[in-house]
Amino acid sequence: AQSVTQPDIHITVSEGASLELRCNYSYGATPYLFWYVQSPGQGLQLLLKYFSGDTLVQGIKGFEAEFKRSQSSFNLRKPSVHWSDAAEYFCAVESLSANQAGTALIFGKGTTLSVSS
Amino acid sequence: DGGITQSPKYLFRKEGQNVTLSCEQNLNHDAMYWYRQDPGQGLRLIYYSQIVNDFQKGDIAEGYSVSREKKESFPLTVTSAQKNPTAFYLCASSMAGNEQFFGPGTRLTVL
Repeated sequence: AQSVTQPDIHITVSEGASLELRCNYSYGATPYLFWYVQSPGQGLQLLLKYFSGDTLVQGIKGFEAEFKRSQSSFNLRKPSVHWSDAAEYFCAVESLSANQAGTALIFGKGTTLSVSS
Repeated sequence: DGGITQSPKYLFRKEGQNVTLSCEQNLNHDAMYWYRQDPGQGLRLIYYSQIVNDFQKGDIAEGYSVSREKKESFPLTVTSAQKNPTAFYLCASSMAGNEQFFGPGTRLTVL
């Protein structure tokens, strides 16, 4: 079965420092991968997606992610974090289980990012 | 502006009541989804619909029901059979094979 693991529940980064959020997935084929961000009490906003092609994908708000098939990872990075980046971040993979459609998603449990000044 | 709307933003339910959460989209998306979010649990799929008049159970469908009579609407009913309904509910939509767009959510609390 497909699954997504985000090993870090909570990360604190200083403003201006670099950021890397980890995501590992379990999947039987070439996956569709996503990173979403959620502010408290809000819906999710798509940061970036990987469907195929270049394994380094650029997203909104200065985020990027690298797909590494050999490591089953899709880590999210940002070179310089801003205080407004404090939020919860979710990695997701397309679900292809018998009970779900091709475009349904399986989410990790999320990583909460705090930004210190 | 195109998007997804959910109402109400906050909903309170008494024990034994059924309540219905609204989800409307004007993105002309074929597929719509309902997720439940609990603290520290990520999002879990309740129901999804690929086309009008058709829907499928997700991982945690017990105690919930849906309908898809119109392309733009996908209401979720939380029935009295759902023993622990207090959660944040998120609706999403997508075109097949593309990313999902999410609504702002409804927070349901059982009194």
